[in-house]
Amino acid sequence: EVQLVESGGGLVQPGGSLRLSCAASGVTFSRHWMSWVRQAPGKGLEWVANIKPDGSEKYYVDSVKGRFTISRDNAKNSLYLQMNSLRAEDTAVYYCVRQTEAFDFWGQGTMVIVSS
Amino acid sequence: EIVLTQSPATLSLSPGERATLSCRASQSVSSYLAWYQQKPGQAPRVLIYDASNRATGIPARFSGSGSGTDFTLTISSLEPEDFAVYYCQQRSNGFTFGPGTKVDIK
Repeated sequence: EVQLVESGGGLVQPGGSLRLSCAASGVTFSRHWMSWVRQAPGKGLEWVANIKPDGSEKYYVDSVKGRFTISRDNAKNSLYLQMNSLRAEDTAVYYCVRQTEAFDFWGQGTMVIVSS
Repeated sequence: EIVLTQSPATLSLSPGERATLSCRASQSVSSYLAWYQQKPGQAPRVLIYDASNRATGIPARFSGSGSGTDFTLTISSLEPEDFAVYYCQQRSNGFTFGPGTKVDIK
């Protein structure tokens, strides 16, 4: 059974930093593109970033470019999202997602709240 | 950026009725369109990928059609567990989601 478990969310002040982690099990993690998708409270879904299986290519939504960094450690079956210069509009549930022809497996999400 | 528009915003139906949800893209996405279902407090789950392919474990009452800019998700006969929010998503150029259609009980 595929499991993706996010951690690292919490309350942070504007301008602060946070690092999200995602632990994968039940899947050959190193073979798949992985993404982060977020959902602001009461709002829709927004793709944030993705990373190639070997980590050599990374892509971001414009609103987080230069502030967020996606990375992975295939030896640890783990995905990360380093978030710097956080803004109120980054407040959301952040999902770790396996990406194939669709976003086919999702974690339960971790909440990030940016507020003073 | 490819913008996806979903209609209607809310669909009020009774169990057993047919649901037809629409998704329109601002430019062609070929067949690179997926549909997701999300229930309150849960992560989304994929229903349909590449416009018309049912994901693993998805019941046959869910079907997708369309190509280019116009797509449809059809639920042939609503079950109680189908009342939820449905999102379309394209992967033709980056990744974007539609705003969602809420299917609620009439």
